[in-house]
Amino acid sequence: EVQVVESGGGLVQPGGSLRLSCVASGFTFSDDGMSWVRQAPGKGLEWVSVISASATGTYYADSVKGRFTISRDNSKNTLYLQMNSLRADDTAVYYCAKGDGHSSWHNPGFDHWGQGTLVTVSS
Amino acid sequence: QSVLTQPPSVSGTPGQRVTISCSGSKSNIGRQYVYWYQQLPGVAPKLLIYNDDQRPSGVPDRFSGSKSGTSASLAISGLRSEDEADYYCAAWDDSMSGFGVFGGGTKLTVL
Repeated sequence: EVQVVESGGGLVQPGGSLRLSCVASGFTFSDDGMSWVRQAPGKGLEWVSVISASATGTYYADSVKGRFTISRDNSKNTLYLQMNSLRADDTAVYYCAKGDGHSSWHNPGFDHWGQGTLVTVSS
Repeated sequence: QSVLTQPPSVSGTPGQRVTISCSGSKSNIGRQYVYWYQQLPGVAPKLLIYNDDQRPSGVPDRFSGSKSGTSASLAISGLRSEDEADYYCAAWDDSMSGFGVFGGGTKLTVL
């Protein structure tokens, strides 16, 4: 069974940092692009970032570019999101999502999602 | 305001057919695949449609996707109460350096 499980969320002050992790199982992690998608309370989905299967390619939303870094360790089946200079509008549930493999690795087609981890940025 | 525009809400009665639209531009829907997601309250989204009109295994054929030019649509036929959820379209946008984008979401109410 394919599973992706996020962790690392919590309460952080504005300007602070946090690192999210996503552990994958049930599939060959090194074969698929992986992404982060977030959802602010009561709001819609927002694409955050994507990384290629071999970690040679990354893309970011303008809203997080220069502050967030996506990475992965294929030996540990783990995806990361390093979040720096956090702002109140970064408050959201952050989902880890597996690329569906039906097209280019960066496309927002996600066939498995985690349960999400809540990040709250507040003083 | 999202790059992809969806109606905030649609409604229908059981058994009816409803459609949800998603309007974009050449740099996203016009040149890239469209995806559709269903999100029930309190849970992660579920992929309904990929590559414009393909259904993952396990998704009922009541759900169908289509695309024309810079617009896409999700159709749900034989509406059921359990279809009441938020629906999102998504696509890659190849303008600037490239980025993913979701529509603002559409709340489907089954009356």
